[in-house]
Amino acid sequence: DQQVKQNSPSLSVQEGRISILNCDYTNSMFDYFLWYKKYPAEGPTFLISISSIKDKNEDGRFTVFLNKSAKHLSLHIVPSQPGDSAVYFCAASEGSNYQLIWGAGTKLIIKP
Amino acid sequence: DADVTQTPRNRITKTGKRIMLECSQTKGHDRMYWYRQDPGLGLRLIYYSFDVKDINKGEISDGYSVSRQAQAKFSLSLESAIPNQTALYFCATSDLTQETQYFGPGTRLLVL
Repeated sequence: DQQVKQNSPSLSVQEGRISILNCDYTNSMFDYFLWYKKYPAEGPTFLISISSIKDKNEDGRFTVFLNKSAKHLSLHIVPSQPGDSAVYFCAASEGSNYQLIWGAGTKLIIKP
Repeated sequence: DADVTQTPRNRITKTGKRIMLECSQTKGHDRMYWYRQDPGLGLRLIYYSFDVKDINKGEISDGYSVSRQAQAKFSLSLESAIPNQTALYFCATSDLTQETQYFGPGTRLLVL
């Protein structure tokens, strides 16, 4: 059973608008969450993270929101740019385990 | 130069053959990981190593073995390749103090 789920395989957004990518998890022991971005023929690159002691973390155009009661996190990108077109992975870890559990990814397409 | 390199980038092999995928890093990180990615699935951990003398099985280690030859090198072997090991393989590193992992560009393996 998948502990980290990204239920939208793809998402298409107009350039300049907000992109919202969602991630749900089932393990209440997860306490650290990360978003990675992946371009074709490249490895994933770290984008932004959030600890379970926070409910929001912001870095430039990227904001991650964490709702622990709903076991849900989301990544907001605003404004969306063509270079944001990529696959976005959500990942989670538990305590000092440092093993990441990954979602299946969401392909974001930014339309000009 | 890339911080995490993987060789080869692409490999085609036949069922029953032994192959090795290699990973090198210049980040000075102690922790190294091997993942595989299959279509529609997130990354799944095969093996990880927290230092040269520490090797641990991940979620899907059956059919694979690893060797940590030095802090900077971590290789993955398929002793007898089978078609369902066809996948995209990623190496990653992290340091002792954070969950953020840094990925190589991946090796695309096809087992016929």
